[in-house]
Amino acid sequence: DTAVSQTPKYLVTQMGNDKSIKCEQNLGHDTMYWYKQDSKKFLKIMFSYNNKELIINETVPNRFSPKSPDKAHLNLHINSLELGDSAVYFCASSRRYEQYFGPGTRLTVT
Amino acid sequence: DQQVKQNSPSLSVQEGRISILNCDYTNSMFDYFLWYKKYPAEGPTFLISISSIKDKNEDGRFTVFLNKSAKHLSLHIVPSQPGDSAVYFCAAGFGNEKLTFGTGTRLTIIP
Repeated sequence: DTAVSQTPKYLVTQMGNDKSIKCEQNLGHDTMYWYKQDSKKFLKIMFSYNNKELIINETVPNRFSPKSPDKAHLNLHINSLELGDSAVYFCASSRRYEQYFGPGTRLTVT
Repeated sequence: DQQVKQNSPSLSVQEGRISILNCDYTNSMFDYFLWYKKYPAEGPTFLISISSIKDKNEDGRFTVFLNKSAKHLSLHIVPSQPGDSAVYFCAAGFGNEKLTFGTGTRLTIIP
């Protein structure tokens, strides 16, 4: 009974493609997040949703679009993938400050 | 602008001894601090937290200390065990619950 799950775990695709990463949490949390961990292992927030409403939108290219169909799901859609998008993407959820992370999706753009 | 810094990228400690991981921050608005542990190919796992109204919080082998005047926090693990080998991230937050993470310290426990 995984608390925060992401699919797929690995994603290899070519430049210019469009791809989605799915995230689901069964913790009953109101807030969900997407983070990017780059090649330097720096973990940086991209988006945050509270009850399906966008509350944090960091400086992220608009090729990245989060979608929250309900408060248990937050998906990340990426258009026109670029080499620099290669990274590990983590989904997380929280009730307050304590965030619980998914296992990550390693995206490789070739 | 790196508001949360972990200046030691790696640390090696003998099994059974104390591990001390350090973290410095620059933003005085932060009022909540957390430590996360991360194994390879897994997501970060929440370990322990502390609010700015406290200077110490303990949970089993893990203790976090906060020195607000120095804008410094530390995580003590005692006794250190081989399973503690991982990357440790400190994080800080305020207001809208956005967390800012440090760059991590890789802890290796030597048997």
